[in-house]
Amino acid sequence: DGGITQSPKYLFRKEGQNVTLSCEQNLNHDAMYWYRQDPGQGLRLIYYSQIVNDFQKGDIAEGYSVSREKKESFPLTVTSAQKNPTAFYLCASSSGTVHQPQHFGDGTRLSIL
Amino acid sequence: QKEVEQNSGPLSVPEGAIASLNCTYSDRGSQSFFWYRQYSGKSPELIMFIYSNGDKEDGRFTAQLNKASQYVSLLIRDSQPSDSATYLCAVISSGSARQLTFGSGTQLTVLP
Repeated sequence: DGGITQSPKYLFRKEGQNVTLSCEQNLNHDAMYWYRQDPGQGLRLIYYSQIVNDFQKGDIAEGYSVSREKKESFPLTVTSAQKNPTAFYLCASSSGTVHQPQHFGDGTRLSIL
Repeated sequence: QKEVEQNSGPLSVPEGAIASLNCTYSDRGSQSFFWYRQYSGKSPELIMFIYSNGDKEDGRFTAQLNKASQYVSLLIRDSQPSDSATYLCAVISSGSARQLTFGSGTQLTVLP
């Protein structure tokens, strides 16, 4: 089955700790995205990548880092510099061509211990 | 700042009625428009997309786009309790490298 797999589903972070959220896709999509969603709000873009070994900051990149070493994978690290990390994190991918929609993984819910 | 605005609701309609969800956007150069459905605690699911003026129908769903007035709407005919969810409007703006800008969503409740 083609799709986007995010893991883990739930994650807890201790003070001062970095944590990494996994996102893998087997849709052969060029573009991948990370969003953050806070309760009752829309999605805000953290980082995006349109091609392997290249990525750009979104609207709220501070306190986060990413890598894109393989087309299929786009992990997100939430660093200790992100002081309010509790949120629902969503990974998405698309073919990257104009008009093409983004499809989402099931998300990772991150909380602070 | 490119913005996408939606009424947050909640919007309640009786079962079998038509639900009308509206969205306005600020960037006149916006190219593509998407409606996602999000159930509580779940990830967004694509419902419709449209990029030409006019109507686009898919089953019980109709998306309407008016670029001159900068609004896009979603009509749900014969609403069912299973349609109860938050509906997110998303827009690809001009020069945005295919980035989606999301509205904050409209919560819809279909009453049995």
